Amino acid sequence: GDSVTQMEGPVTLSEEAFLTINCTYTATGYPSLFWYVQYPGEGLQLLLKATKADDKGSNKGFEATYRKETTSFHLEKGSVQVSDSAVYFCALSVIGGGSNYKLTFGKGTLLTVNP
Amino acid sequence: KAGVTQTPRYLIKTRGQQVTLSCSPISGHRSVSWYQQTPGQGLQFLFEYFSETQRNKGNFPGRFSGRQFSNSRSEMNVSTLELGDSALYLCASSLVSAGVYNEQFFGPGTRLTVL
Repeated sequence: GDSVTQMEGPVTLSEEAFLTINCTYTATGYPSLFWYVQYPGEGLQLLLKATKADDKGSNKGFEATYRKETTSFHLEKGSVQVSDSAVYFCALSVIGGGSNYKLTFGKGTLLTVNP
Repeated sequence: KAGVTQTPRYLIKTRGQQVTLSCSPISGHRSVSWYQQTPGQGLQFLFEYFSETQRNKGNFPGRFSGRQFSNSRSEMNVSTLELGDSALYLCASSLVSAGVYNEQFFGPGTRLTVL
């Protein structure tokens, strides 16, 4: 079946530090890839997505590139802020075969950014 | 446009009881998905409904059920509650386009505690 593996947290950084959260996947078909963010007490928000190999998703300074050859979708940000403190989830969805609207998530990575 | 709403936000039940959670999707969204979030298992897909029909189901026991109404609102029911059912239950809604992934918008969740 489909699965997502992301680096275990928690991750603690100082403001303006560089962030990388690793994510790799296995999928039975050709997946779309996503990063979601969850702030305390809230639901999930889509941060960025990529739907085909070599696509780069970007939003709010975060970036991730769909690497089919390494089955990876690592999240990066050049300079984190305190407001980026949240839990980040890597996810995939395979279009077709009845699984269009099923997201498969990684375990999540808690990021804490200190001033 | 109003977001996905879930009611109630918090719920406390005892073992053996049953519970019904409600989700109102974004206006115009006809697909509704449900996810269970726990510290141990992370985010797991429960089921997805479209046009009052369950299209996809995750690996959960039959105690977990759902339905969708003609106005796209959805409910999920858990019968004979167990301690392990304590979780945050998230609902997500999306548009539906053939062969294309449409972003899922998540509600804030219902926090269920089973005592």
